[in-house]
Amino acid sequence: NAGVTQTPKFQVLKTGQSMTLQCAQDMNHEYMSWYRQDPGMGLRLIHYSVGAGITDQGEVPNGYNVSRSTTEDFPLRLLSAAPSQTSVYFCASSYMPTMNTEAFFGQGTRLTVV
Amino acid sequence: KNQVEQSPQSLIILEGKNCTLQCNYTVSPFSNLRWYKQDTGRGPVSLTIMTFSENTKSNGRYTATLDADTKQSSLHITASQLSDSASYICVVSARTGANNLFFGTGTRLTVIP
Repeated sequence: NAGVTQTPKFQVLKTGQSMTLQCAQDMNHEYMSWYRQDPGMGLRLIHYSVGAGITDQGEVPNGYNVSRSTTEDFPLRLLSAAPSQTSVYFCASSYMPTMNTEAFFGQGTRLTVV
Repeated sequence: KNQVEQSPQSLIILEGKNCTLQCNYTVSPFSNLRWYKQDTGRGPVSLTIMTFSENTKSNGRYTATLDADTKQSSLHITASQLSDSASYICVVSARTGANNLFFGTGTRLTVIP
């Protein structure tokens, strides 16, 4: 089982560039989510999805888009990168969070916007 | 407001010693509380999940306790090892909504020889 696979692991962007962070899971989980982790702060939810074709905004969605065309994949798009988006990004998947099951996280993407 | 607070922010202990990390929360209605271990440069990995009715749960040398009345949890690490050096994150799940995980900022533990 691969679990949650995130790519790339590192990325440097120039201000204004766009890119897509990839996330795939092979556990048939309905719920997938994207977080950013900044120094001194807890993980903050960017976007989440409760199933294919369904996405919703989290706590900090501005500047990011997502789509969920399949159960397995949940890419995160940065439309026009800004230095404030410099962060470590984590994708996670689980059964519905109201169930008492663990969430599985990817390895993270360290993004620097210059 | 739903919040999760952890203490201490950081901790340094000698290899072989025990330590206890604290988590206080105000999340309501409560569903479950999770402890995650995050090694440097890696994603968080689940250690324990506890529901309202569970007071204690162990995973090897890690023992988590939960007092749902006082809304407090602790993670006790026994006979620490160098590999325990990591951040430990407390996450509380609310019983309603899909956007219902609340994260603490973590405790950074360093185990020195």
